[in-house]
Formats: sequence, structure tokens, C-alpha cells
Amino acid sequence: AQSVTQLDSQVPVFEEAPVELRCNYSSSVSVYLFWYVQYPNQGLQLLLKYLSGSTLVESINGFEAEFNKSQTSFHLRKPSVHISDTAEYFCAVHSSYKLIFGSGTRLLVRP
Amino acid sequence: DGGITQSPKYLFRKEGQNVTLSCEQNLNHDAMYWYRQDPGQGLRLIYYSQIVNDFQKGDIAEGYSVSREKKESFPLTVTSAQKNPTAFYLCASSILIGGGAKGEQFFGPGTRLTVL
Repeated sequence: AQSVTQLDSQVPVFEEAPVELRCNYSSSVSVYLFWYVQYPNQGLQLLLKYLSGSTLVESINGFEAEFNKSQTSFHLRKPSVHISDTAEYFCAVHSSYKLIFGSGTRLLVRP
Repeated sequence: DGGITQSPKYLFRKEGQNVTLSCEQNLNHDAMYWYRQDPGQGLRLIYYSQIVNDFQKGDIAEGYSVSREKKESFPLTVTSAQKNPTAFYLCASSILIGGGAKGEQFFGPGTRLTVL
């Protein structure tokens, strides 16, 4: 069965610093990977996705993630974070008509 | 505007009572899902449905029931058999794989259920 591991439950960072949120998944023949963001008391919003093609995918608000098949990773990065990026981030992999989610990483951006 | 609506946003229940959470979507999606979210545990799948009048148990279905009488609606009932129902419940929908969406799910705003 597919599984997703987010090693960091919480990542504190200062505003304008770079950040990386780590995600590893169990290996599979074909992989569809997603990052979602959740603000307090709200649903999840899709941040970016990897379906095929270029291994580097980008979102409209400056985040990017790189699919690394050999390391079975899909880490999320941003070169300079803002206070408004404070939220919980979930990595997910598609498996048999459903998504398998990691346990989430809480990004805390401090001024 | 297309999207998913969940109601109510906050729900309080006494122990021993059943309660039904509403989920409606106007995205014309075939598949719908219910997740439970607890602090530090991420999302866990309760039930999902790929087609009207059919649904499958997820990882934590005990104490829950669902119905899918219409494509747009997928209500979740939290029964008195659910031992620890206080949680944040999220509904989602997606096109099936054959539709080309490759599993991407769209989420509603959630319902926070508290058992008193």
C-alpha cells in the first residue's frame, strides 16, 4: 500500500528566509503527487501537483516542488517566505481512486 | 461559482445522538469523499463513492454511515457507535481517473463537530 511521510511536524522560519518542507512516498509504478495548504478552520487548497513531464512544478505564489524518483521524494520549497504563508501543508499521493495524505507540516513564519 | 459546500460549519451533539453532515458539489464530479482530521494525524479517509448508489469504506468507517442517492450529494451520518466523534470533517470530490484529473481532489470548507 502507498504511504506518505512528512518528517517535520512543525517548521519555524523567519520572514524572507528560504524553507523546505520534506515529503517522501512509498514507491509505485506510476505516481501522482500533490501538495495542499490548509489555513486555520478551512478546507484544503491545492498548491501544486506532479502528474508527468517536468520534475519541477511551480505554484502561482512562489512555491515549487521537485519530483525525485530515485529518492522517492517530493519536497516543497520557497526561496523567501511571507507571514501569510503560515499554514499547515499536506503532501499526498494518489493510490487506487483515493489520496493518501501525510500527517502534515505546520509552517510558522515569524517576523 | 462551482464548488463544494458543507453545512453546518460548527455542530454540537450530545452523546448518544446521531448527527448528519451535509456535503453538496456542483462540479459535476463523479467521486466524493469524507475525511476526518484530528490534530497531528493528518486526514483519514472515512468513506468514498465513485458513482451514485455505490460507496466503499475507507480506513476508519466504523461508527459512520453514508448515502449517495444523487451525484451532487454525499451526506455523512456520525452515529452513536462512533466512540470519539469530536473532530474536523472534510468532504472532497474529484473526477475519476478516466476523466483525466489524475486524482486531484477539491475540498469543502469543513464541519467542526463537538460532542458535549
